[in-house]
Amino acid sequence: GDSVTQMEGPVTLSEEAFLTINCTYTATGYPSLFWYVQYPGEGLQLLLKATKADDKGSNKGFEATYRKETTSFHLEKGSVQVSDSAVYFCALTAYSGYSTLTFGKGTMLLVSP
Amino acid sequence: DTAVSQTPKYLVTQMGNDKSIKCEQNLGHDTMYWYKQDSKKFLKIMFSYNNKELIINETVPNRFSPKSPDKAHLNLHINSLELGDSAVYFCASSPGTSDTDTQYFGPGTRLTVL
Repeated sequence: GDSVTQMEGPVTLSEEAFLTINCTYTATGYPSLFWYVQYPGEGLQLLLKATKADDKGSNKGFEATYRKETTSFHLEKGSVQVSDSAVYFCALTAYSGYSTLTFGKGTMLLVSP
Repeated sequence: DTAVSQTPKYLVTQMGNDKSIKCEQNLGHDTMYWYKQDSKKFLKIMFSYNNKELIINETVPNRFSPKSPDKAHLNLHINSLELGDSAVYFCASSPGTSDTDTQYFGPGTRLTVL
């Protein structure tokens, strides 16, 4: 079946550091790929998405590129802020008649001043 | 304006009770979902409805019964609550069933079974 593997957290960084959160996937066909973010005590918000190979999703300084050859969708940000502290989920949808999100286990990011 | 709303936000109850969680979306979407997030923050699909019709029913105990009175609402009723049902339940909606559609999530309902 479909699956998503993310690096385990927590990831602890100082403000203005460079962020990478690794995500790889297994899916039949050509999935769409998503990064969702969950701030403490809140629901999930879409951060960015890419729907075909070589697409780059970007939002709020975050970006990720859909790499079909390495089945990866790594999240990056050049300079993190304290307000970026949250749990980040990589996810995919693979159309099989009805699409649902398959999530990775989430990576907690903690940014200190 | 809240896009996807859920009530209640917190629910504390005793084992064996029956409870309901309500979800409403004002986005005009056709498809709605229930996800369960366990204590380790792992998220898993439970149900999906498209235009009031159940289209996905993952291996969820039949104590869980979703109901969609119209395409803007998807409620979750749980009978005979068990300790293992304690989790955060998220409702979501999307325009349709395309794999490229973005799903929009509600704020979650934290259910605690004592």
